[in-house]
Amino acid sequence: RKEVEQDPGPFNVPEGATVAFNCTYSNSASQSFFWYRQDCRKEPKLLMSVYSSGNEDGRFTAQLNRASQYISLLIRDSKLSDSATYLCVVNSGAGSYQLTFGKGTKLSVIP
Amino acid sequence: DADVTQTPRNRITKTGKRIMLECSQTKGHDRMYWYRQDPGLGLRLIYYSFDVKDINKGEISDGYSVSRQAQAKFSLSLESAIPNQTALYFCATSDPGDGANKNIQYFGAGTRLSVL
Repeated sequence: RKEVEQDPGPFNVPEGATVAFNCTYSNSASQSFFWYRQDCRKEPKLLMSVYSSGNEDGRFTAQLNRASQYISLLIRDSKLSDSATYLCVVNSGAGSYQLTFGKGTKLSVIP
Repeated sequence: DADVTQTPRNRITKTGKRIMLECSQTKGHDRMYWYRQDPGLGLRLIYYSFDVKDINKGEISDGYSVSRQAQAKFSLSLESAIPNQTALYFCATSDPGDGANKNIQYFGAGTRLSVL
């Protein structure tokens, strides 16, 4: 089983739509969880950390289910500028400073 | 100015050549990392360093070496470049942080390397 698996995508959605991405991770000892955003040919940038209780940042909501080893990202009211690849990222185990990156899910928001 | 700077941004080289990719940071972080990204494979860790005297192999270190010249500088070398090392290379830094912000990594803009 791959360490971090994401929806393969691509997701093509109209402006204003709500879209959800899912991610599963294999290491039950992982303690840090993130969503990164990567624009084409650019570096990954942190979108948001994922907290155990779930967290929201404007139009973005992240959820963590430790029992199922599952992370989600919900984007409401999609904007053209949300078009990017979204990377699910998990630390590699208890106390580990290494991160394991999913392959990413590509989102295209269409006018 | 960027907090994590990579040079060069683009490089074309020939098989068998030695090349060095450089990374410098102004974030004051102790931890630095080198990744490569290939289409369909995501980011893979090559080497990482937790301080000047600490160097560790990552998932795919064969064919690469690194040098941590100072807290702020971490360079990646390809001793004898081969075509399958053609990829996008990223340097990243992190500090311990706390709580859910622990382990956040910050990336440079990347070096696009082509080995002919």
